[in-house]
Amino acid sequence: SSELTQDPAVSVALGQTVRITCQGDSLRNNYATWYQQKPGQAPVLVISAKNNRPSGIPDRFSGSSSGNTASLTITAVQAEDEADYYCNSRDSRGYHLLFGGGTRLSVL
Amino acid sequence: EVQLVESGGGLVQPGRSLRLSCAVSGFTFDDYAMHWVRQAPGKGLEWVSGISWDSGSIDYADSVRGRFTISRDGGKNSLYLQMNSLRPEDTALYYCAKDSGDTLTTKLDYWGQGTLVSVSS
Repeated sequence: SSELTQDPAVSVALGQTVRITCQGDSLRNNYATWYQQKPGQAPVLVISAKNNRPSGIPDRFSGSSSGNTASLTITAVQAEDEADYYCNSRDSRGYHLLFGGGTRLSVL
Repeated sequence: EVQLVESGGGLVQPGRSLRLSCAVSGFTFDDYAMHWVRQAPGKGLEWVSGISWDSGSIDYADSVRGRFTISRDGGKNSLYLQMNSLRPEDTALYYCAKDSGDTLTTKLDYWGQGTLVSVSS
């Protein structure tokens, strides 16, 4: 399959830890990159190459990967982390870029 | 400060054409690959097209291949997307995004605010 699959919605209590996953055959050979998008705003890169954070991204954001699943983990979730999160990688042929369907994170 | 400013969106009838532009500043445009990514209203992100630093590598999503053409002009620090034979399903906010490298990677480190394209009769 050339798709990247994400859970449509996840909720987490304030201060707790949440893991957002991205599944796809291409992830066995390619890293996922993660983006955060808040309402009315452009996406922001949060994690790349398994677990690299751009400057300005809090260290409560981390990435990992196992088999065909990539994960974005947010520890000690803050209210401002409420957003849509997207993974991207390449298709199963390792060529075309594609995005997962996105996960809406709600902070309770 | 890195800035990407898209323009050229608007309302267009099905079958017609539109050309999007993205003016960039704050980095050496010629050193980086660039991408177009779109987002239909209330939907997720969809990668549309990418172009390497030297235009030697160009790729398109299957949904637009043969209808859209990406290009860049280093003299104008600008990225373009020529969209032909537009369909209602092309309606979306179109983002310009900078790649972190000179070839087409998955790491898009800066994004513009987008330009809205609406295809309707």
